Amino acid sequence: RKEVEQDPGPFNVPEGATVAFNCTYSNSASQSFFWYRQDCRKEPKLLMSVYSSGNEDGRFTAQLNRASQYISLLIRDSKLSDSATYLCVVNRSGGSNYKLTFGKGTLLTVNP
Amino acid sequence: DAGVIQSPRHEVTEMGQEVTLRCKPISGHNSLFWYRQTMMRGLELLIYFNNNVPIDDSGMPEDRFSAKMPNASFSTLKIQPSEPRDSAVYFCASRVAGGNNEQFFGPGTRLTVL
Repeated sequence: RKEVEQDPGPFNVPEGATVAFNCTYSNSASQSFFWYRQDCRKEPKLLMSVYSSGNEDGRFTAQLNRASQYISLLIRDSKLSDSATYLCVVNRSGGSNYKLTFGKGTLLTVNP
Repeated sequence: DAGVIQSPRHEVTEMGQEVTLRCKPISGHNSLFWYRQTMMRGLELLIYFNNNVPIDDSGMPEDRFSAKMPNASFSTLKIQPSEPRDSAVYFCASRVAGGNNEQFFGPGTRLTVL
């Protein structure tokens, strides 16, 4: 089983739609979780951290379910500028505290 | 503020040639990471340094790859000899101690080995 698995998509949605991405991770000892965004031919950038209680940043909501080892990202009222690849990222605990493991990403295209 | 700087941005070389990729992390960051990204395998960590010391190089594919960090403001990733399967985008990222684990990525070097 891969360490971090995501639905690769692509997701094609109209402007204003709500879209949800899911991610599962295999290491139950993982401590930190993130969503990164990567635009076409650009570098990944942190979108938001994911906290156990769930957290929201404007139109974006992230959820974590440790029991199921599942992370989600919800985008409401999607904009054309949300078109990008969304990477689910997990930080393992223990001696490799600084190592992030990236999922392969979910491609989102928001259409006018 | 300058972000992570990588050079060159694009590199086209022939199989068997030596390739050297360069990275300048964000000033004050004490961890540096080298990643490789391909369509097939996604983003993979090759090696990371903490305070200029290599901590984990388990992601380095084979002996043809080597990385150095002679000081806090410079790192290199070298491939010798290069092979077509090394074609990928190579990213460098840096992180500051005590932060939220956010890594700041450079723009990447797109390597093509013919």
